[in-house]
Amino acid sequence: GENVEQHPSTLSVQEGDSAVIKCTYSDSASNYFPWYKQELGKRPQLIIDIRSNVGEKKDQRIAVTLNKTAKHFSLHITETQPEDSAVYFCAASKDTGNQFYFGTGTSLTVIP
Amino acid sequence: NAGVTQTPKFRVLKTGQSMTLLCAQDMNHEYMYWYRQDPGMGLRLIHYSVGEGTTAKGEVPDGYNVSRLKKQNFLLGLESAAPSQTSVYFCASSRMKLTKNTGELFFGEGSRLTVL
Repeated sequence: GENVEQHPSTLSVQEGDSAVIKCTYSDSASNYFPWYKQELGKRPQLIIDIRSNVGEKKDQRIAVTLNKTAKHFSLHITETQPEDSAVYFCAASKDTGNQFYFGTGTSLTVIP
Repeated sequence: NAGVTQTPKFRVLKTGQSMTLLCAQDMNHEYMYWYRQDPGMGLRLIHYSVGEGTTAKGEVPDGYNVSRLKKQNFLLGLESAAPSQTSVYFCASSRMKLTKNTGELFFGEGSRLTVL
């Protein structure tokens, strides 16, 4: 099955700085890579996703990049704000499959 | 439109007791999932269902059973609870996967289970 590794497990940045979270996957057939944000005590929610036919996708202050050859993808948050503090999960899936494989999560703290 | 609803939100069990977690979704989604979330281990899939009357094992199915008798409901059962099953359980649903589908998972609020 798929194995998704996520780094770092914890990340602290000053408000206004950028944050980068990286994930690698093992199954070259995976072609859908979502990122979920989980605020303390809340449910995970999708913030951005990317498919394997695209190398980069942006949505305001967040962006995701994908390197299919190296089998890794990253979440980039620019101009971080305190409300970005949360646990972020990457995941991998296949259009032809039924399962999402999650990374172990990154706890991001934005220091005001 | 309530989305995905889980009951109960909290439960404390003694070792060996049984219980059922109920997940209900009102979005007419085909796919439903049960995950457990443990510190440092992310979200691990227990069981899932691709439609009414179907279930399948995920990554960590041992000690759990599921049923999907109605499309909108997905039940997770613990027949004989163990302390290792202390966790936060999340139900999720998604539309039937199509090539162009986002595949977004919609999660419930979670159920915190403690087994003493």
